[in-house]
Amino acid sequence: QLQLQESGPGLVKSSETLSLTCTVSGGSITNSNYYWGWIRQPPGKGLEWIGGLYYDGSAYYNPSLKSRATISPDTSSNQFSLKLTSVTAADTAFYYCARGIGGRYVWLGPWGQGAVVTVSS
Amino acid sequence: EIVLTQSPGILSLSPGERATLSCRASQSVGTSLAWYQQRPGQAPRLVIYGASSRANGIPDRFSGSGSGTDFTLTISRLEPEDFAVFYCQQYGSKPYTFGQGTKLEIK
Repeated sequence: QLQLQESGPGLVKSSETLSLTCTVSGGSITNSNYYWGWIRQPPGKGLEWIGGLYYDGSAYYNPSLKSRATISPDTSSNQFSLKLTSVTAADTAFYYCARGIGGRYVWLGPWGQGAVVTVSS
Repeated sequence: EIVLTQSPGILSLSPGERATLSCRASQSVGTSLAWYQQRPGQAPRLVIYGASSRANGIPDRFSGSGSGTDFTLTISRLEPEDFAVFYCQQYGSKPYTFGQGTKLEIK
């Protein structure tokens, strides 16, 4: 059974870089059928798609993040990571990683349990 | 960017009743629509994809319908574990977007 687990610092200072890792077990991130994505949810609010990696290694990012996000694979560790630069309080959120299904246009399942990140001034 | 509008914002029902949740897209997404359930303190869980296909392990009391811009998630007979927040998500156009959610609460 595929499982995903987020990890990383829970506190990041304003203007610095947020870094999170998603560890995948029960399946390989090199599987050509899947996409590996990041989604976030500010406390008490809705969901926002950050971006993710397609099976061919290409990435797609939500333009709303204005090029601050980078998602990278680490195939040797079966992980993929998120880096978000120049963070502000607006980046405080639960961050989820998830597998995408459907080729180039994807829906998500399963999801990791989420990691909370707080941006402090 | 496609905007998804969910209604109602809050739906108060009793166990055993039928729930009908709506998701409307600002432009057509065909049948590229998914529904997720998020229980308190948990990650979202895929319920429906392709507008009407149930995800693995989802009970058959959950059903989805619609195409184009109007979609519905129906729960035929509510069980206590069904009460949660439900989100729709479109994947017909990038960026993928989510609705703002419908909270299904116990009356």
